[in-house]
Amino acid sequence: GDSVTQTEGLVTVTEGLPVKLNCTYQTTYLTIAFFWYVQYLNEAPQVLLRSSTDNKRTEHQGFHATLHKSSSSFHLQKSSAQLSDSALYYCALTNSAGNKLTFGIGTRVLVRP
Amino acid sequence: NAGVIQTPRHKVTGKGQEATLWCEPISGHSAVFWYRQTIVQGLEFLTYFRNQAPIDDSGMPKERFSAQMPNQSHSTLKIQSTQPQDSAVYLCASSSPGQGEETLYFGSGTRLTVL
Repeated sequence: GDSVTQTEGLVTVTEGLPVKLNCTYQTTYLTIAFFWYVQYLNEAPQVLLRSSTDNKRTEHQGFHATLHKSSSSFHLQKSSAQLSDSALYYCALTNSAGNKLTFGIGTRVLVRP
Repeated sequence: NAGVIQTPRHKVTGKGQEATLWCEPISGHSAVFWYRQTIVQGLEFLTYFRNQAPIDDSGMPKERFSAQMPNQSHSTLKIQSTQPQDSAVYLCASSSPGQGEETLYFGSGTRLTVL
C-alpha cells in the first residue's frame, strides 16, 4: 500500500525566516495527485496545495512545493513564515487504485515572534 | 455553502457503550470519506462511499465499527462497545467529480472520548 513520511513532528521557526517541511512517499501504484493540507486550531483540515505533475512548482498563499518523483518527495516551503502559519500540516497522496487520500502523521509548525 | 457538517462536535461515552457519529456532506458531492485523527497516528483512513455505495472499508476495524450512507445527504459511523482506544477525532470529508474528485473537503470532526 501507500505510505507518506513526514519526518518532523514539530517545527519551530522565527517569524520572517524560511520554513521547510519534509514529505516523502512510497507507493506501488501509479500515483494521481499529491497534497498538502493545513489544519488550524479547532478547524477542519483544508487543502493548501495540490500537484500531479513531476518537477513542476506549485504555489499558494506564499507556500510552494515541487513534486520530485525521482526522489519520491513533495516538500513544502515558505520563504518568510508568518505568525498565522502556525498550524498542523499534513502531506497526502492519492493513487490510481482509488480516490482515498493517504496522509502522513503531520507536522506541527509553531511560528514565534 | 455550509460545508461538511458533523454532529455532535463532542461525544463522551462509557466503556462498552455505543456511539453514532453523523455526517452531512456538501450538497452535490458524490463521495464521502471517514477518517480518524489521533496525535500518534495522524489521519487514518477508515472507509469511503461513492454515490452511496461502499467502495473501500479497508481501514475499518472489523468487529465494532460500521458505516452507512442511506441517502446522499448523510452518512453515519457507528462504534459498538466503545473502548478507550477508540478515543479520537473522527473526521468526515466529501468530494465531487469535476472539481478534482480526489480533493477532500473536511468537516470539523466529532471528538469522541471513551471513559
